[in-house]
Amino acid sequence: NAGVTQTPKFQVLKTGQSMTLQCAQDMNHNSMYWYRQDPGMGLRLIYYSASEGTTDKGEVPNGYNVSRLNKREFSLRLESAAPSQTSVYFCASSSLNRGIYQPQHFGDGTRLSIL
Amino acid sequence: AQSVTQPDIHITVSEGASLELRCNYSYGATPYLFWYVQSPGQGLQLLLKYFSGDTLVQGIKGFEAEFKRSQSSFNLRKPSVHWSDAAEYFCAVARSGAGSYQLTFGKGTKLSVIP
Repeated sequence: NAGVTQTPKFQVLKTGQSMTLQCAQDMNHNSMYWYRQDPGMGLRLIYYSASEGTTDKGEVPNGYNVSRLNKREFSLRLESAAPSQTSVYFCASSSLNRGIYQPQHFGDGTRLSIL
Repeated sequence: AQSVTQPDIHITVSEGASLELRCNYSYGATPYLFWYVQSPGQGLQLLLKYFSGDTLVQGIKGFEAEFKRSQSSFNLRKPSVHWSDAAEYFCAVARSGAGSYQLTFGKGTKLSVIP
């Protein structure tokens, strides 16, 4: 079982370049999420998608855009990368089963460096 | 807004010793609480969750956690630590919305194990 797959795993960008981080899940989950992880900061929610066709801002949305392409895929775009966006990005997904929220499942992350 | 505090940034224990990692949360309603573990270079793996019911919850790898509403705490425990438990541990609280929920994470506790 693949679970949550993120591509690429590593990327180096120059300031001002754009990039799209890809995420796909094969668990038929309705909800998907993007987090960033910085040293000593834990994980912070960037954007989430409660269901196909909807997206909402999280705690740190500035400088990012997202697209819920279909039920499986949720992409994160950096239009003009800045050094402050150097981070490890995690995608996650979850479902609602008989009215009970199920735990979020995480991908292995994308390590992004912006020079 | 909800928040999570993990007071200990780094803990070192000897193999075979007991472990308790502290977590305090702030949330207005009945919380959904989680503990995740992250090995270096990896994504997050769910250890256990509390949604309702029994306040002592069992998880994987011999971990357990106790929900104490009066203390707003959800501390993680293990009676005997193994060298493979060395990792970073994150406590999280969920805020529910329409068909989804958003996690707020603590900043993490890094566990080192002395052989």
